Amino acid sequence: AQSVAQPEDQVNVAEGNPLTVKCTYSVSGNPYLFWYVQYPNRGLQFLLKYITGDNLVKGSYGFEAEFNKSQTSFHLKKPSALVSDSALYFCAAPEMDSNYQLIWGAGTKLIIKP
Amino acid sequence: DAGVTQSPTHLIKTRGQQVTLRCSPKSGHDTVSWYQQALGQGPQFIFQYYEEEERQRGNFPDRFSGHQFPNYSSELNVNALLLGDSALYLCASHFRSGNTIYFGEGSWLTVV
Repeated sequence: AQSVAQPEDQVNVAEGNPLTVKCTYSVSGNPYLFWYVQYPNRGLQFLLKYITGDNLVKGSYGFEAEFNKSQTSFHLKKPSALVSDSALYFCAAPEMDSNYQLIWGAGTKLIIKP
Repeated sequence: DAGVTQSPTHLIKTRGQQVTLRCSPKSGHDTVSWYQQALGQGPQFIFQYYEEEERQRGNFPDRFSGHQFPNYSSELNVNALLLGDSALYLCASHFRSGNTIYFGEGSWLTVV
């Protein structure tokens, strides 16, 4: 079965520093991978996706993610964190043989301190 | 261009009651999925609708049912509510041939 893992429950970063939120995957075939952000009491907002092509994917709000096939990782990154980036971040991938029935990591709470 | 819209945003129901949640997909999107997100957890896939038929289903009991209308909007129905059904219910939409999935703000259901 496909699976997505986010090894960190929480990541703390000082404002202005670079941030990384980790995601690893175990999927069959070519992986499709997604990052979403969820602010308190809100729905999920699409940040970026990897389908094929460049290993470095650029997304919304200055975020980017690096796909690494050998390490089966898809880490989310931002060069300079903002306090407003504080939120819950989810990595997701489609279930095998599904039409984007997404399976999710447990989520990582990102806290940016001023 | 309106995104995915859901209603109601919040509701409180009593155990044993029935609830209907509604979703309008992003303009032009023909595929709608529903997810349940319990507090502090990631979303869990309930089912997906396309061409007014349920195409995929997650591990949820038959108390959870749905419908898709010709205009692509969708409803999620939950019968015989349990306390454990309290959660955020998220609707997602995409083009059948596409690969970017958009979510609504969700409907918060509290069962008392």
